[in-house]
Amino acid sequence: SAVISQKPSRDICQRGTSLTIQCQVDSQVTMMFWYRQQPGQSLTLIATANQGSEATYESGFVIDKFPISRPNLTFSTLTVSNMSPEDSSIYLCSVDGRRNTEAFFGQGTRLTVV
Amino acid sequence: QKEVEQDPGPLSVPEGAIVSLNCTYSNSAFQYFMWYRQYSRKGPELLMYTYSSGNKEDGRFTAQVDKSSKYISLFIRDSQPSDSATYLCAAGGGAGSYQLTFGKGTKLSVIP
Repeated sequence: SAVISQKPSRDICQRGTSLTIQCQVDSQVTMMFWYRQQPGQSLTLIATANQGSEATYESGFVIDKFPISRPNLTFSTLTVSNMSPEDSSIYLCSVDGRRNTEAFFGQGTRLTVV
Repeated sequence: QKEVEQDPGPLSVPEGAIVSLNCTYSNSAFQYFMWYRQYSRKGPELLMYTYSSGNKEDGRFTAQVDKSSKYISLFIRDSQPSDSATYLCAAGGGAGSYQLTFGKGTKLSVIP
């Protein structure tokens, strides 16, 4: 499985500001995914990021709020924009496994908005 | 109705007990099923992957899928305090469908 590094591991941010989360993979991958994990809730897919194309967002998530970059096959960023306390959550980067069906995750970014 | 339902627990068992974790799903298109283990302040770690109905064993862990009843289980034998974590089930669709649907996770504590 790929080794996935996420930065920062945690942050406390003021409302109205933005935070960019970085995800670095130790091997080239076609697809990278960003999830949100809220307390007591399922992991929810935010968007899928392919290199060289616009990210594909799931229902309820929009590019203006969660802009994503995918400049190459080993790196992606997720920005949480104009944050409110409701954005407090764990954000997880994920990549496909060898079978292209399972997901492997980074350690997550624990975000608290105050 | 959520597509994957999982009792969030918490579940507390003594060391050495057999643990049974369960999920139900509603989408008949799901063809592959996973169990993830998530320690506190860590990302989910893939524990078991199954593609069809039946059992799959890996050490102390057994994953069971019953597609007729849309029921998936994870059994942990001889549970250890190091097994204390949140366990998430996940299901995915057929070829070309990469999206996974996760349960809410069950928090397990194994008491020494």
